[in-house]
This record gives sequence, C-alpha cells and structure tokens, in this order.
Amino acid sequence: NAGVTQTPKFQVLKTGQSMTLQCAQDMNHEYMSWYRQDPGMGLRLIHYSVGAGITDQGEVPNGYNVSRSTTEDFPLRLLSAAPSQTSVYFCASTFIAGTTGELFFGEGSRLTVL
Amino acid sequence: AQKITQTQPGMFVQEKEAVTLDCTYDTSDPSYGLFWYKQPSSGEMIFLIYQGSYDQQNATEGRYSLNFQKARKSANLVISASQLGDSAMYFCAMREYSGGGADGLTFGKGTHLIIQP
Repeated sequence: NAGVTQTPKFQVLKTGQSMTLQCAQDMNHEYMSWYRQDPGMGLRLIHYSVGAGITDQGEVPNGYNVSRSTTEDFPLRLLSAAPSQTSVYFCASTFIAGTTGELFFGEGSRLTVL
Repeated sequence: AQKITQTQPGMFVQEKEAVTLDCTYDTSDPSYGLFWYKQPSSGEMIFLIYQGSYDQQNATEGRYSLNFQKARKSANLVISASQLGDSAMYFCAMREYSGGGADGLTFGKGTHLIIQP
C-alpha cells in the first residue's frame, strides 16, 4: 500500500501565484486533513474532511481552499500565495469511527513563497 | 487556552539513559485519546504510542511507555535506554471523541530531543 501520497515534495512560488498541493490515500479513510508545520508552532490544522463532499475549517484556514470530490483525494489550494504561507504542509488521514484515530501522514511538502 | 502543552522545547540526554518528555493536556471531554509522534530530521511523522482516556493500564510499545496520570491531565512519554537514533522532534497530540472525532488531532509544539554519545 502506498498510504498517503503528497505531491510535490518541494515548491517555490512567487507572491500572488497560485498552486495546488495534491494528497491521495489508498486506505479508504473517511477523514482527511491538512496541517502546516512552522518552527516552534507544532502542527496546526488548516482544513479537514469527514467524507466526499464534506469539508470544514480548522485552526488556520485563511488563504487556503479545499475540496473532496472522492474518498481518495483531498487537494489543498493556495489561491494567491503570501510569504506567510511558507511552511511544511502535511496531509493526514484516518478512520473516524471504530479506531483510535491515529493519523497516517504523508511525507510532507515544503513550500517557499518569495 | 492551549489544549496540549509541551514545556520542554529542547533536551540533551546521554545515550543509554532513560528520557521523559512532558505533555499536559486540557479537555472537558470524558472520551479522548493521547498520541505521541516522532519526527526525525528527514521530516516524516512516525506514530509511537497511544493511550485512551478509559485505558486502565499505561500504554507500552517496546522502549516507549506512556506515563498517564489522568487526574493531573498528564501524558508523559518515557523512552528507556535511549539511542542515538532517538534524536528527533517529539509531538504529543490529543483527539476528543465525543464530537465524533471529526476535529482530528490537536498537537503540542514539540520537544527537540538530542541524544549525545
């Protein structure tokens, strides 16, 4: 099993550019989420989804957009990148019910906005 | 208020010594779970150990154990006989279940552990 796959692993953007971070999982998890990791801040939840067609905001949603058209995919869109969005982004997924809810993480995507 | 507090930004420990990484949490949900993740310098997030709020025994996984003190809202990670490969960032996290668990995990800011030879 591939688990959680994120692409790209590295990206450099200029301020104002847009891009999409891709996330796919093959574990049939209902729950998918995006976190950002900044030095000294831990991981903060951006957006999450509990199933296809359902998304919701996390702690730091501003400047990001998500959609969930299939169970497998949960892309994160930056519509107009800002230097404050320079960060490492993690996609993570899990089952909602019947398990501990341990999150399975992708390898991360390092984004730099100039 | 922070839901997860890790008070040790960094720690230096001699190889083969035991290590305790502190974690306190804040919740009013009677049903919750506590997790520890390791993040080595390569960047991936590695799940280490889990403790449920109703578990009677402290969780153990190999050299990892969780010192769960429910009344104190404390869930410290203990690493026995530390190794150089234990050098990494360690994150404590919590999931609250009563709302269906849809909010995912809330993470602490992490502890950077360095094992010295």
